[in-house]
Amino acid sequence: GENVEQHPSTLSVQEGDSAVIKCTYSDSASNYFPWYKQELGKGPQLIIDIRSNVGEKKDQRIAVTLNKTAKHFSLHITETQPEDSAVYFCAALNTNAGKSTFGDGTTLTVKP
Amino acid sequence: SAVISQKPSRDICQRGTSLTIQCQVDSQVTMMFWYRQQPGQSLTLIATANQGSEATYESGFVIDKFPISRPNLTFSTLTVSNMSPEDSSIYLCSVDKRQGHTDTQYFGPGTRLTVL
Repeated sequence: GENVEQHPSTLSVQEGDSAVIKCTYSDSASNYFPWYKQELGKGPQLIIDIRSNVGEKKDQRIAVTLNKTAKHFSLHITETQPEDSAVYFCAALNTNAGKSTFGDGTTLTVKP
Repeated sequence: SAVISQKPSRDICQRGTSLTIQCQVDSQVTMMFWYRQQPGQSLTLIATANQGSEATYESGFVIDKFPISRPNLTFSTLTVSNMSPEDSSIYLCSVDKRQGHTDTQYFGPGTRLTVL
């Protein structure tokens, strides 16, 4: 089955700096890669996703890159703000098989 | 997108009792999922619930412990049976929403369960 590794497990940055979280996956059939933000006491919220026919996608301060050859994808947050502090999860999915595999999560702390 | 609500949002239960968690979606969806998230951990899929068929359970989860109902395309329940403190966790409902040719997964707010 699919295996997703996520690094780092914790990340602390100063407000205004950039944050990068990386994930690797094992199943070359995976074709959909969402990122979720989970704030304390809440369910995961989809913040950005990328599909295997695209190398990069950007939405304001958030971007995701995908390297299919190397089987890794990354989340980039620029100009971080304290409200970006949360746990971030990556996931990999083969949309034909229907089940997502999640990374272990990254706790991001943005210091004011 | 999909708006998902869960009831209860949290509960404290006694060992040996059962709790049923409800999940309501604002639109019809084919696939619904139930996840467990233990404190500080990632999401573990319990089962997939499709309307009109038996739920499909992942390895390590059985129907007797986690019976699931899916009576229609907007609603599902998960029961945690004969609870023990090890069942203390957040239980999350999730749906796959098809938009055009693509599927996107959305999560509910979760039910925080504490078993004493």
